[in-house]
Amino acid sequence: NAGVTQTPKFQVLKTGQSMTLQCAQDMNHEYMSWYRQDPGMGLRLIHYSVGAGITDQGEVPNGYNVSRSTTEDFPLRLLSAAPSQTSVYFCASTRGPSDTEAFFGQGTRLTVV
Amino acid sequence: DQQVKQNSPSLSVQEGRISILNCDYTNSMFDYFLWYKKYPAEGPTFLISISSIKDKNEDGRFTVFLNKSAKHLSLHIVPSQPGDSAVYFCAASYLNNDMRFGAGTRLTVKP
Repeated sequence: NAGVTQTPKFQVLKTGQSMTLQCAQDMNHEYMSWYRQDPGMGLRLIHYSVGAGITDQGEVPNGYNVSRSTTEDFPLRLLSAAPSQTSVYFCASTRGPSDTEAFFGQGTRLTVV
Repeated sequence: DQQVKQNSPSLSVQEGRISILNCDYTNSMFDYFLWYKKYPAEGPTFLISISSIKDKNEDGRFTVFLNKSAKHLSLHIVPSQPGDSAVYFCAASYLNNDMRFGAGTRLTVKP
């Protein structure tokens, strides 16, 4: 059982480039979300989805887009990378609205130069 | 604005002693609180949780205490083991799983 899988694990981008961080879960969870972790800031919610076709913004959504065409996948798109987006990104999934225990992927370390 | 705060960035304890990690929150709407543990180069993993209708929850060596009037929760680890050395995140949630995390406390358990 793979759980939550994120790719890539590491990425270096130049300012202005775009890219997609992939996230897939095989637990048939309804809820999926993206967080970024910065030193001294903990994990901050970027976007989340309560089911296929439904997404919403979290605390820090600017500069990021998401879509949820299937239950399994929840990609995060950086439209035009900026150095302020250098961070570690975590994808998480949860069984449903009454279950707040989240399962996290291993993270993607992104550096924007 | 950080709604969940962990004011101690690090904590060091001796193996076999108690570890107490603290967390404060500002939003009285939070109704569920969780602790996650994170090792380097891994994602956080769920450790223990507590609903706002309780004041204590225990799971083996781990106990979480909630003081709603003080908007404070704590995680007790007894006895502490070297394998408990990790970063511990406190989290709080309300509505649609919108979880807010603290900045984390790095626990080091010395043999």
